[in-house]
Amino acid sequence: AQSVTQLGSHVSVSEGALVLLRCNYSSSVPPYLFWYVQYPNQGLQLLLKYTTGATLVKGINGFEAEFKKSETSFHLTKPSAHMSDAAEYFCAVTPISGSARQLTFGSGTQLTVLP
Amino acid sequence: EPEVTQTPSHQVTQMGQEVILRCVPISNHLYFYWYRQILGQKVEFLVSFYNNEISEKSEIFDDQFSVERPDGSNFTLKIRSTKLEDSAMYFCASSLGQAPYEQYFGPGTRLTVT
Repeated sequence: AQSVTQLGSHVSVSEGALVLLRCNYSSSVPPYLFWYVQYPNQGLQLLLKYTTGATLVKGINGFEAEFKKSETSFHLTKPSAHMSDAAEYFCAVTPISGSARQLTFGSGTQLTVLP
Repeated sequence: EPEVTQTPSHQVTQMGQEVILRCVPISNHLYFYWYRQILGQKVEFLVSFYNNEISEKSEIFDDQFSVERPDGSNFTLKIRSTKLEDSAMYFCASSLGQAPYEQYFGPGTRLTVT
C-alpha cells in the first residue's frame, strides 16, 4: 500500500524567502507524483506532476519539485515566496501500473507568508 | 478552460436524511472520482467510476453511499442515511484516464450533518 508523508503541517516564510515543502512517499515502485494547492474556500488545483524523465519538474506560479528516488522524496520549492502563495499544499501519489487510479494524499502543509 | 463544477457549495442536513451531491466533470473525461476531507484531516478517496460502473472503492464507501451518472454530464454521490461523521468537504474529480492519470478537482461541497 502507498502512503505519503508531509513533514510540517504548518510552514511560515517571509515574503521573498525560499519556500520548501517536504513530501516523502512509501511505495515498492515509484509512483506518479503530484502537488496540489488549495486556496481558502476553493478546490484542489494541480501545481505540477512527475511522471518519467527529468527529475526536476516545473509547475505553475513559479513552483518546482524534484523527484529523488534514492530518498523517496518529492519536495516542492519556490525561490521567492509571494503573499499570494499562502494556501494549503498537498502531495499525492498514484501507482504507475495496475488498475488502481485513486490518489493517495499526504496530510497537507499550510503555508503562511509573512510580510 | 474546462473545469469541474459541484453543487451545492454547502449542504446542511439532519442526521438520517438522504443527500445527493452533484458534480459535472470535464466533458471529455472518462474517469470520475469522489473524495472527502473531514475538517483537519487528509483528503481521502471514496470511489472511482468508469464506463458506468464503480471501478474502485475504499473502505469508507459502504452501503450508505452510492454513485450514479444519470445522464451524459452529471455525476452524483448519494448518502442514504447521513450520520454526524459524514460531515466533511466532498470533492469530485475527473480525469482523461490516460497516464499519468492527473485528476482535476471541483471546488467541493461542504456537508454539515446536524
